Amino acid sequence: AQTVTQSQPEMSVQEAETVTLSCTYDTSESDYYLFWYKQPPSRQMILVIRQEAYKQQNATENRFSVNFQKAAKSFSLKISDSQLGDAAMYFCACRHGSGNTGKLIFGQGTTLQVKP
Amino acid sequence: SQTIHQWPATLVQPVGSPLSLECTVEGTSNPNLYWYRQAAGRGLQLLFYSVGIGQISSEVPQNLSASRPQDRQFILSSKKLLLSDSGFYLCAWSVRASYGYTFGSGTRLTVV
Repeated sequence: AQTVTQSQPEMSVQEAETVTLSCTYDTSESDYYLFWYKQPPSRQMILVIRQEAYKQQNATENRFSVNFQKAAKSFSLKISDSQLGDAAMYFCACRHGSGNTGKLIFGQGTTLQVKP
Repeated sequence: SQTIHQWPATLVQPVGSPLSLECTVEGTSNPNLYWYRQAAGRGLQLLFYSVGIGQISSEVPQNLSASRPQDRQFILSSKKLLLSDSGFYLCAWSVRASYGYTFGSGTRLTVV
């Protein structure tokens, strides 16, 4: 069974600084995908970034990037030049790729506070 | 473009009353559909998923049920609500594993 663990319930960062959110996962599959979702106070789930497990290159989306360590089963999210709008709950998630019916399993989330 | 609609946004129901939450998807065919529940300040728990009309898989035994009467319609129901059913319910759809899920805006359910 898949599990996803986020060991940091809360994090804070000064505006314009960089912060890294940690995530580890466990799966026996070789074909899987990893995601980071953002949930602002509106509670809408927003996809931030995704990573294919077969790709060695770390994904990047503007100020958001990941550090994907496949052997260690680690998938951390780095937010550069933090903005007040980045304040939200962030969820790491893992999904198996086989058959397109794989379930998306979430971690418990990390609440990020951005200080002005 | 694909869109997902979920309603109502907020619902307050007495214990023992029935429940029906609806989710519809536009702009895609034969999506996989999912219902998640999120307790306050916690992670998302998968409740049900469906890969086609009439096909429902339950992840957690509980007081809730799900149905998929049409390709792009997914309904979450209960005959008698419990206090423990309170939470934030999210519907989601996907077509390909690599794309993750797209979520609806959610329903905040309070059982009183």
